[in-house]
Amino acid sequence: QVQLVQSGSELKKPGASVKVSCKTFGYTFINNNINWVRQAPGQGLECMGWINTNTGNPTYAQGFIGRFVFSLDTSASTAYLQINDLQSDDTALYFCARSGFKKIDHWGQGTLLTVSS
Amino acid sequence: DIQMTQSPSSVSASVGDGVTISCRASQYIGTSLNWYQQQPGKAPKVLIFDASTLETGVPSRFSGSGSGTDFTLTIGSLQPEDFASYFCQQGYSSLYTFGQGTKLEIK
Repeated sequence: QVQLVQSGSELKKPGASVKVSCKTFGYTFINNNINWVRQAPGQGLECMGWINTNTGNPTYAQGFIGRFVFSLDTSASTAYLQINDLQSDDTALYFCARSGFKKIDHWGQGTLLTVSS
Repeated sequence: DIQMTQSPSSVSASVGDGVTISCRASQYIGTSLNWYQQQPGKAPKVLIFDASTLETGVPSRFSGSGSGTDFTLTIGSLQPEDFASYFCQQGYSSLYTFGQGTKLEIK
């Protein structure tokens, strides 16, 4: 069955970088785009953007341009989110999520990122 | 970006009650509107897609309606497992956006 499995929790210092992985199983990776969604503590869902898994072309939402990088390893059916120059307000739960027909149909379990000195 | 405005931000209700949650888009989105339920610490799951289509396996007490810019999610006869947060999301633009969420709490 379709699964998205994310890497584990991360604790980073301000100014550092982090790379979160999202490994997919159970379907043909290039057939469905991958979205990245952020959820700050106690807050709602914020779509950071998405990456076209066929072309590798990323699209970033306003507020996620510059320090955020989406990438792929198609041979490993894996998507990545890298965040550079981490700030305290990057502390959040980050989800990868697969675009299905007219909806997000499968989600990773989430990766908790804590940024603290 | 298309802005999604959801209301109310929280609602208290009892088991057996009915609840309606509203979502408004900042521009026309046709029926490209999805509803998700999220339990604390878990990934969201889709309840309704294309404004009114019930996802496979979702109980029929959940229903969605609307088109254009105004949409509603209705939950009839609340069950204990329904107390969670609910989010609308537009899929009209390739850059999805979510409403700010509605927390459904037990009265």
